[in-house]
Amino acid sequence: KAGVTQTPRYLIKTRGQQVTLSCSPISGHRSVSWYQQTPGQGLQFLFEYFSETQRNKGNFPGRFSGRQFSNSRSEMNVSTLELGDSALYLCASSPDNYNEQFFGPGTRLTVL
Amino acid sequence: QKEVEQDPGPLSVPEGAIVSLNCTYSNSAFQYFMWYRQYSRKGPELLMYTYSSGNKEDGRFTAQVDKSSKYISLFIRDSQPSDSATYLCAMSALTNAGKSTFGDGTTLTVKP
Repeated sequence: KAGVTQTPRYLIKTRGQQVTLSCSPISGHRSVSWYQQTPGQGLQFLFEYFSETQRNKGNFPGRFSGRQFSNSRSEMNVSTLELGDSALYLCASSPDNYNEQFFGPGTRLTVL
Repeated sequence: QKEVEQDPGPLSVPEGAIVSLNCTYSNSAFQYFMWYRQYSRKGPELLMYTYSSGNKEDGRFTAQVDKSSKYISLFIRDSQPSDSATYLCAMSALTNAGKSTFGDGTTLTVKP
């Protein structure tokens, strides 16, 4: 079974721009979660989608948004980028009714 | 105060040593406990997954959960240089599927 895939793997943007990151979960997984990982804050939960509905949300500003499609693929968007948004953005998928999560390789975003 | 506190390390041990990694938590709602291994510039890899209290063994790895003390541990026997990585504990509640709270990680180096 293929693992979680994320595209693109690396991204460089400038302040004020917006960015869209994509995640394809493991086949059959309907839950997709997004996390931000930085050296100072560690892994922080952004939001989780299940069957196209946002089921959980972390404490991030409204500039961070996401969506999930009917095939369970998910995208997250960050608008009006700030320098502090530079991070590794990780996507994880879960089987139904299980809390174990399987992570993708991440998208490394650099904001200049 | 963070919900999950992880022994910060870094930890350096000789090959063949037994390694103990530990986390404490404050949220009584946590019922699912995970350990992830993350190599540099990669996504976290799920190592162990435990529900509620007790022990779970998988090869050289043993996970322990003591809910009464709000304390979890991961033991690595016969450590190998390939075990050198950052280890992250993670926890989630039954009612918050898809949202895991992570410790900050412990970086382990196993010297040949």
